[in-house]
Amino acid sequence: DAGVIQSPRHEVTEMGQEVTLRCKPISGHNSLFWYRQTMMRGLELLIYFNNNVPIDDSGMPEDRFSAKMPNASFSTLKIQPSEPRDSAVYFCASSFSPPGPSTDTQYFGPGTRLTVL
Amino acid sequence: AQKITQTQPGMFVQEKEAVTLDCTYDTSDPSYGLFWYKQPSSGEMIFLIYQGSYDQQNATEGRYSLNFQKARKSANLVISASQLGDSAMYFCAMREGRYSGAGSYQLTFGKGTKLSVIP
Repeated sequence: DAGVIQSPRHEVTEMGQEVTLRCKPISGHNSLFWYRQTMMRGLELLIYFNNNVPIDDSGMPEDRFSAKMPNASFSTLKIQPSEPRDSAVYFCASSFSPPGPSTDTQYFGPGTRLTVL
Repeated sequence: AQKITQTQPGMFVQEKEAVTLDCTYDTSDPSYGLFWYKQPSSGEMIFLIYQGSYDQQNATEGRYSLNFQKARKSANLVISASQLGDSAMYFCAMREGRYSGAGSYQLTFGKGTKLSVIP
């Protein structure tokens, strides 16, 4: 089975441009997470969805960031306008989270390395 | 206070030897889960092993085992018979509140330990 798919794998853009990162979770998974990884701050949760509904977006840095999950097989993270400090690796992860007890193991995509010049 | 503490920024181990990577955690929730992930230089995050707070036995997955000491709030990863391919960053993570009905699905990660396996 395919794992979590992210695109693009690398993105280089100029300050002020809009950036859209894409994620396809593992089929059957109902929770989706967006993380950002930097040397300074490590891995940070930006937002997560359960059954396509945003549950917690408190990690989203500011209004320039937005995320959507229009259906169970697709999510986007958009940065508009982008800034150099947004340069990081952005990971998408998914898990199967039933109502009852579960390990809820998150499986990560390969990440998108974003560079904002 | 940090919820996940990994005190070893970097470690070295001789090939074929065993190595223990430390992780301590802080939570007041009686139900939680602990995870270890591996991040090689290629950048992907690979799930290794899981331990639930109510699990009676330490988790094992092949050469990976988790030394879970609940009273001490530690969840150390043990890698037996190290291989060159084990050289990577290793992250400990915790999920709280899942079983207690809070419905929290998010993970909190430690800062990681960089393991280098020496031939």
